[in-house]
Amino acid sequence: DAKTTQPPSMDCAEGRAANLPCNHSTISGNEYVYWYRQIHSQGPQYIIHGLKNNETNEMASLIITEDRKSSTLILPHATLRDTAVYYCIVRGAGDNFNKFYFGSGTKLNVKP
Amino acid sequence: SAVISQKPSRDICQRGTSLTIQCQVDSQVTMMFWYRQQPGQSLTLIATANQGSEATYESGFVIDKFPISRPNLTFSTLTVSNMSPEDSSIYLCSVRGGDGYTFGSGTRLTVV
Repeated sequence: DAKTTQPPSMDCAEGRAANLPCNHSTISGNEYVYWYRQIHSQGPQYIIHGLKNNETNEMASLIITEDRKSSTLILPHATLRDTAVYYCIVRGAGDNFNKFYFGSGTKLNVKP
Repeated sequence: SAVISQKPSRDICQRGTSLTIQCQVDSQVTMMFWYRQQPGQSLTLIATANQGSEATYESGFVIDKFPISRPNLTFSTLTVSNMSPEDSSIYLCSVRGGDGYTFGSGTRLTVV
């Protein structure tokens, strides 16, 4: 299963865009990229996912490079409530299709 | 997406004892997943629980230590057996739903 690599922490000013990078260089053609976040003492919360194309929803945008070896989660206007650990996950394929393997995540600190 | 209730939300247990964690989903699901989150760490998949069959355990986890029951399509239990302080973690259940996976709020276990 593909592994993900994320910076351990990032800072962002409130109201600015937060760009969270993720490397997944061993991803295979049918594996999806998912992003979740975990606010302290809560279960992980779904943000967005994609396969090849860029995706946008009410929470965030996901930019996947053409070779699919990396992606960036964009929170367009970060608020203090966006302070959390953000996990980039490559969903397993084949027998592992229904499994999530979490990486170490990025702690995003949104500052006033 | 599904709503998950976990019980207990937290517990403090004596070493050598066992704790059973319950996970109730508000809809029928085929697969349920159990994760462990050690202090300051990411989530690690323990096992996949299918109704009517034995749970499938990930490398490093065994049935004798983490027996799982799945009596119907809306309920599962995870038992942490013969606990030691190293078992102090947050245990979370998860199901597939909506665009991704939904997680319970977790059970915070402290072993003393």
